[in-house]
Amino acid sequence: DVKVTQSSRYLVKRTGEKVFLECVQDMDHENMFWYRQDPGLGLRLIYFSYDVKMKEKGDIPEGYSVSREKKERFSLILESASTNQTSMYLCASSWGGSPETQYFGPGTRLLVL
Amino acid sequence: AQSVAQPEDQVNVAEGNPLTVKCTYSVSGNPYLFWYVQYPNRGLQFLLKYITGDNLVKGSYGFEAEFNKSQTSFHLKKPSALVSDSALYFCAVRDMGSSNTGKLIFGQGTTLQVKP
Repeated sequence: DVKVTQSSRYLVKRTGEKVFLECVQDMDHENMFWYRQDPGLGLRLIYFSYDVKMKEKGDIPEGYSVSREKKERFSLILESASTNQTSMYLCASSWGGSPETQYFGPGTRLLVL
Repeated sequence: AQSVAQPEDQVNVAEGNPLTVKCTYSVSGNPYLFWYVQYPNRGLQFLLKYITGDNLVKGSYGFEAEFNKSQTSFHLKKPSALVSDSALYFCAVRDMGSSNTGKLIFGQGTTLQVKP
């Protein structure tokens, strides 16, 4: 089974803090994604990566950056957390041959105070 | 602009009855369509997809979906609902402007409540 793990299930941070969310997949997938999930808005893509050191902006990249130094790990960084970044963050990965069939991690619920 | 709409925030069904969760899409060209499910306190799981071929697609847990090109719909169905089917369901379409990157456009989600 594909396993996608996220470093924390719950996080509480203060406004202005730098926040790191880590995601690791164990299936040698080329593609990795970061989404945020908000009620009534569905999933919105923040950033994705199709290879090591490669990244592309999604639909809502403002206020976020990412890092992919190793194939199995994709990090989401909130440079200066704000209250409007309080959300559920979901990481996913997929194989290059079927990139839309994505495997999701359990999510990190982030609260910014 | 490409989009996916799930017109119902919540669907309530009695156990044993058939269920339908609706999805409509707007894309140019031939769509790649997907359903994902999120069970309580768990991550999203892939359920099924339509790429080409038979308009009726079968997926996990007894679910199926029907692609209707003329109505631009991809409704999720199950002949007999189980209480354990209660979850949040997302319809998605491949972003045609980013082919082969895996970029998906998700609907807002529909909560399915199956009552005993």
